[in-house]
Amino acid sequence: DTGVSQDPRHKITKRGQNVTFRCDPISEHNRLYWYRQTLGQGPEFLTYFQNEAQLEKSRLLSDRFSAERPKGSFSTLEIQRTEQGDSAMYLCASSLGGSGGHYNEQFFGPGTRLTVL
Amino acid sequence: GIQVEQSPPDLILQEGANSTLRCNFSDSVNNLQWFHQNPWGQLINLFYIPSGTKQNGRLSATTVATERYSLLYISSSQTTDSGVYFCAVKEGNDMRFGAGTRLTVKP
Repeated sequence: DTGVSQDPRHKITKRGQNVTFRCDPISEHNRLYWYRQTLGQGPEFLTYFQNEAQLEKSRLLSDRFSAERPKGSFSTLEIQRTEQGDSAMYLCASSLGGSGGHYNEQFFGPGTRLTVL
Repeated sequence: GIQVEQSPPDLILQEGANSTLRCNFSDSVNNLQWFHQNPWGQLINLFYIPSGTKQNGRLSATTVATERYSLLYISSSQTTDSGVYFCAVKEGNDMRFGAGTRLTVKP
């Protein structure tokens, strides 16, 4: 169990550029979540996958944000036409999935810190 | 949606002191987690505790689901305990986080 990994750890980009972040969940976990955290706040849920199906995306911040999990393993989060307000930490989490108990416990990756200049 | 409130927002302790952090939530939940966010931003799982009491070393937690609160106890605090402590509850498909308690432990 190597934990949740995210890449890159830091990204600096200019306003208007597109960026893509990758998340590799814990290997046996079938649920994957993306969150955004701004300074001084708790993480804010963005979207959620069960295997390759994106079951919740209404909380994505705008249509510039999209996420995929094509083979039910790793996931990518893309932000198009970045704005300075997109600067934040983007966190990925995974859980086993299933009903009840520790199947719902979420484990987080180290995050990708995005700075938009 | 569920509201999650944590108190106090900031806490400064001398090394060796004990502390209690509180998390109130506005509706019944069946999933509650406590996390410690270290200075590099990594969220570290402390407890999965939808109800009852758990202990892990110097840390323990109690959730009283019927009264909609959870407590995190830190005993004999160390400087490495510094950071932000988050409570999060599950609502539907997502976790709702409180704003956190920022703990500073001074040597």
